[in-house]
Amino acid sequence: SQTIHQWPATLVQPVGSPLSLECTVEGTSNPNLYWYRQAAGRGLQLLFYSVGIGQISSEVPQNLSASRPQDRQFILSSKKLLLSDSGFYLCAWSPPRDRGAKNIQYFGAGTRLSVL
Amino acid sequence: LAKTTQPISMDSYEGQEVNITCSHNNIATNDYITWYQQFPSQGPRFIIQGYKTKVTNEVASLFIPADRKSSTLSLPRVSLSDTAVYYCLVGLMEYGNKLVFGAGTILRVKS
Repeated sequence: SQTIHQWPATLVQPVGSPLSLECTVEGTSNPNLYWYRQAAGRGLQLLFYSVGIGQISSEVPQNLSASRPQDRQFILSSKKLLLSDSGFYLCAWSPPRDRGAKNIQYFGAGTRLSVL
Repeated sequence: LAKTTQPISMDSYEGQEVNITCSHNNIATNDYITWYQQFPSQGPRFIIQGYKTKVTNEVASLFIPADRKSSTLSLPRVSLSDTAVYYCLVGLMEYGNKLVFGAGTILRVKS
């Protein structure tokens, strides 16, 4: 079966510090990968998605970036965090288009980031 | 991507059936309707998905009328543990599988 791992679970970082959140998926190949952010009491905001190694699409211009160095690894980064970067970050995966699946995304447990 | 409209919140009592309706007037021919559930400080969890008529699984039922401009998630005999946010999403198996999560419906189940 497929599993998705996301770490760390919580993170407290000072303003201006760098960020690296990692997400890995097991039990599948060539998944679509996603990074979302959720502000308190709000819906999910899609930040980045990737359909393959090195293929990243950005949905929201900001000081965050994403990379996909391996097929099942997705990394969210920042060189300098802002206060507004605080939130709940979620990684998700979905089967690739050629698997005949119907747009179902599977989420990790999330990372609670507090920028102080 | 089709825009969806859901009630902001709903209250229910244990043992009742809960129906949450989602409007999606501009749904496209090839769009599917998917519902997710999210508990506090957890990632959303897939509940059910359908294209037309009725779909049922061990957790819920999804009713979709012929015009597909709305859908209703039905949760039978809810319990306190069903208190969560429920999201209705409409989308296509398109490039990147992008889905848009709105604010969802906060369901509060009381004893």
